[in-house]
Amino acid sequence: GESVGLHLPTLSVQEGDNSIINCAYSNSASDYFIWYKQESGKGPQFIIDIRSNMDKRQGQRVTVLLNKTVKHLSLQIAATQPGDSAVYFCAENRPPGGGYNKLIFGAGTRLAVHP
Amino acid sequence: ETGVTQSPTHLIKTRGQQVTLRCSSQSGHNTVSWYQQALGQGPQFIFQYYREEENGRGNFPPRFSGLQFPNYSSELNVNALELDDSALYLCASSLAQQGNTEAFFGQGTRLTVV
Repeated sequence: GESVGLHLPTLSVQEGDNSIINCAYSNSASDYFIWYKQESGKGPQFIIDIRSNMDKRQGQRVTVLLNKTVKHLSLQIAATQPGDSAVYFCAENRPPGGGYNKLIFGAGTRLAVHP
Repeated sequence: ETGVTQSPTHLIKTRGQQVTLRCSSQSGHNTVSWYQQALGQGPQFIFQYYREEENGRGNFPPRFSGLQFPNYSSELNVNALELDDSALYLCASSLAQQGNTEAFFGQGTRLTVV
């Protein structure tokens, strides 16, 4: 398959540990934010989103935190599993003229889970 | 599987040529967005199509153009290919509906320009 994120920052964790992936965004006018997971040879897969009027949202094994004061977003993955190994991207919706799914992606972080 | 299919999966073109990439959106979705992903980087928004009209565009030159058909499938056309156009091209389909933020990506078309 293709290699995604050859030179990305890498977070290495042990299986079972919690992972925290961080992201800085640029535009205070963005109305929602999404975390995507991208495995080699595949397109990005939606994980969780959060609107700009929230500061925390939880899903299954994942939590997203939004700090608008410092324009920072984080993704927490509980009990990380080998299947979580992938490149993770944060994205902000900053649509010219309004609307949805006109996303600005961050640079990405590679998560490597070791047994 | 997201239900979004792209074709072809891989393509090699020569500088100066033209290319057409295709995307079939997920059933029930009426919006298609196209992204360019260079190796080692995040996807960059090219443009979005809704109801067969362009509905927003990123920072890409006019030689990047698109179409959306009545069945909501879409094409991305790139004219006068340059070496820097080599990338993974992704389409994402979604349903334009208030509050709906979820977009489903296809697996992409890997374009190599030589």
